[in-house]
Amino acid sequence: GAGVSQSPSNKVTEKGKDVELRCDPISGHTALYWYRQSLGQGLEFLIYFQGNSAPDKSGLPSDRFSAERTGGSVSTLTIQRTQQEDSAVYLCASSLGQEYNSPLHFGNGTRLTVT
Amino acid sequence: KNQVEQSPQSLIILEGKNCTLQCNYTVSPFSNLRWYKQDTGRGPVSLTIMTFSENTKSNGRYTATLDADTKQSSLHITASQLSDSASYICVVKTSSASKIIFGSGTRLSIRP
Repeated sequence: GAGVSQSPSNKVTEKGKDVELRCDPISGHTALYWYRQSLGQGLEFLIYFQGNSAPDKSGLPSDRFSAERTGGSVSTLTIQRTQQEDSAVYLCASSLGQEYNSPLHFGNGTRLTVT
Repeated sequence: KNQVEQSPQSLIILEGKNCTLQCNYTVSPFSNLRWYKQDTGRGPVSLTIMTFSENTKSNGRYTATLDADTKQSSLHITASQLSDSASYICVVKTSSASKIIFGSGTRLSIRP
């Protein structure tokens, strides 16, 4: 595809359940980012991947959050034992790499609602 | 501490009017500054990039300025259209550790 693809677009889950969010970056983009955006708020950095490694995971809010990237492409963000405060839009972005002055290309996000 | 502050937080103007959004940053060392537009329910899209040596850059009805001495940038929108209604986010990249710092955005509403 031409852009960053995220799935599902919407996810409603019960408190305490685990969820997996998927991100398909633009082909050839080595850098991949996850952000969280609460309603009406700015973007909150979660984790950055360069290839399959995550040199910066400082934004993950708790050990319930984890992410992985395989094959230098698809990434999944997993939230275990979801809480109501996890409700937000989770945005994924990819770029050519931090050494380039290339923009972040964002997906349209996964809207997570924890009931 | 690396920070990006935007003002105003929100703005409502009439269609056809001009407006200017502000961004102040304390990011150092500076690499570049981008303005992104985020439509409701969508991911942000890059409008323009400013590097250290650039003072002004236009993209259609959008004109961005950068004053690297005062660490300020502005985004001027001319002859606003209803489709300009969105959040505008200022994003600054450092040249060390390649950190990307987001402002909290300005929510712009254009009224007919």
